[in-house]
Amino acid sequence: NAGVTQTPKFRVLKTGQSMTLLCAQDMNHEYMYWYRQDPGMGLRLIHYSVGEGTTAKGEVPDGYNVSRLKKQNFLLGLESAAPSQTSVYFCASEPGLFSYEQYFGPGTRLTVT
Amino acid sequence: AQSVTQPDIHITVSEGASLELRCNYSYGATPYLFWYVQSPGQGLQLLLKYFSGDTLVQGIKGFEAEFKRSQSSFNLRKPSVHWSDAAEYFCAVGLMDSNYQLIWGAGTKLIIKP
Repeated sequence: NAGVTQTPKFRVLKTGQSMTLLCAQDMNHEYMYWYRQDPGMGLRLIHYSVGEGTTAKGEVPDGYNVSRLKKQNFLLGLESAAPSQTSVYFCASEPGLFSYEQYFGPGTRLTVT
Repeated sequence: AQSVTQPDIHITVSEGASLELRCNYSYGATPYLFWYVQSPGQGLQLLLKYFSGDTLVQGIKGFEAEFKRSQSSFNLRKPSVHWSDAAEYFCAVGLMDSNYQLIWGAGTKLIIKP
């Protein structure tokens, strides 16, 4: 099993550009999450999904959109990137049913100039 | 509002010495409690968890944590650290009414002195 994979690993964007980050999991997990990690702030939840076709906002959703058209994939979109979105983005999946045990991908380091 | 506090941003420990990382939470009931570890350049990995029962829980890599209800704490311990334990450690709580979310601490970076 590959677990949770994220594409790409690194990306540099100019302000105003758009991009999509892809998260894929092969563990048949129900729940998936997108977090951002900034120095000294721990992890902040952007959006999450509790099943195929469903998404919900987390703590810091502004400027991001998500989609979960297939159970194994969770996409994070930035429509118009801003320097404040420079961060490391982590995807995680969880079996569901309140297991709370999250499995993380390796992260995507995004720089917006 | 619910919160998780890790009071130490950095901790430096000599190799072979014991370790304790602190975690306190603010929540009216007993939450589910977790410690995750993040090695440099990698994602997070679950070290151990507490749901109920015995308040001393064992995890991977020789770590343990103790839940103390009276202190709202869930401190992580290891009797003898190895250089490979250098990483960032995150405490998290899962609330029963949280809509599936974990509340994360800001992390403690562990530095190992040779």
